Amino acid sequence: EDKVVQSPLSLVVHEGDTVTLNCSYEVTNFRSLLWYKQEKKAPTFLFMLTSSGIEKKSGRLSSILDKKELFSILNITATQTGDSAIYLCAAWPSDKIIFGKGTRLHILP
Amino acid sequence: GAVVSQHPSRVICKSGTSVKIECRSLDFQATTMFWYRQFPKKSLMLMATSNEGSKATYEQGVEKDKFLINHASLTLSTLTVTSAHPEDSSFYICSARDTSRGRAEAFFGQGTRLTVV
Repeated sequence: EDKVVQSPLSLVVHEGDTVTLNCSYEVTNFRSLLWYKQEKKAPTFLFMLTSSGIEKKSGRLSSILDKKELFSILNITATQTGDSAIYLCAAWPSDKIIFGKGTRLHILP
Repeated sequence: GAVVSQHPSRVICKSGTSVKIECRSLDFQATTMFWYRQFPKKSLMLMATSNEGSKATYEQGVEKDKFLINHASLTLSTLTVTSAHPEDSSFYICSARDTSRGRAEAFFGQGTRLTVV
């Protein structure tokens, strides 16, 4: 059975801290791993990772995939209160996208 | 990025009635769309994969007759919750992939908050 496991499930840090969110996956016919940020409504796309070892960056966010260890991390540096959200990791095997349970991140001012 | 529009954003219906939710890809063609359900403080649960011109593929435990999916065109998929009950109250989200230009990331609709009273 395909599955995606995220950790931690929740995280509370102070503004300015750096956080690392983890995502491991076990899927057949793996194609890509996706990260999303969900605030009040539908998730918004952050990154898609297909190749191992290549870091993708967008501002203070970065992510990398390890296809050997079936693992990905999402880093957020110099966190801000606007980073508070649920971060979802999803794996794309075949034609469907499987989501992890998400990490609920709360940034204290 | 590609735009996916979902309608309505919020609906309240009486128990026993049916509700239709639309998902449209506005600037691309989507041969495949996905329907998700999300409970409070929980992740997205894939309900079914909607394929244009053919029957939807439902995930285990999802009732086909309860959640009717129609993907009649390359830009529109609909989810109909039939004979809705309070336990069907949830946040339903659709997503679509624009594979025509080799893009693989899924874009989401705004979601529909369904409340059955």
